[in-house]
Amino acid sequence: EPEVTQTPSHQVTQMGQEVILRCVPISNHLYFYWYRQILGQKVEFLVSFYNNEISEKSEIFDDQFSVERPDGSNFTLKIRSTKLEDSAMYFCASSEQGRTEAFFGQGTRLTVV
Amino acid sequence: AQSVSQHNHHVILSEAASLELGCNYSYGGTVNLFWYVQYPGQHLQLLLKYFSGDPLVKGIKGFEAEFIKSKFSFNLRKPSVQWSDTAEYFCAVIFSGGYNKLIFGAGTRLAVHP
Repeated sequence: EPEVTQTPSHQVTQMGQEVILRCVPISNHLYFYWYRQILGQKVEFLVSFYNNEISEKSEIFDDQFSVERPDGSNFTLKIRSTKLEDSAMYFCASSEQGRTEAFFGQGTRLTVV
Repeated sequence: AQSVSQHNHHVILSEAASLELGCNYSYGGTVNLFWYVQYPGQHLQLLLKYFSGDPLVKGIKGFEAEFIKSKFSFNLRKPSVQWSDTAEYFCAVIFSGGYNKLIFGAGTRLAVHP
């Protein structure tokens, strides 16, 4: 069964460092997403990406965040200068169409120290 | 504001007990509704979805959910739970005007004891 894969599964970084979280969405999917879950809180939407551009982003997704689909298979989330409050589980997801179910990866646990 | 509420944060049941997890959403427009499950150490998986039609939808592993438009609810049910149903359950909604983003409830941790 096709699945969304994310790497790394865990990332520890120092405050102020840049991190790149990587995702390989399901190959025939057209919509890509990043969500995050801070420990003990809800899963929150960060950004959606369609047709090589951001289609929607949340208030969380400020100038420190960026997304890219560099090579037609990978989908990356970059945090330019990490803060302690960026520590969370980051989930990548993809969907075949809009407004339909998203398929999630296993997540990357980011710890900022 | 668009929001999703799950009433129970932790539920503990014995095997063979019936399960009902509540989910309410805030908005009266057109919605697409989902229940996801996350088993320990695994990714979020879709249990079932509702877009339109019969408000009683059946999903995988014997789960079902009922959409009640007048109550803005989409409760998840299973007549007889098993130990393997131990997991966290998330209700999620795509609101009209919300483009494609899922708005999640806080999740319900279900523990089923043998």
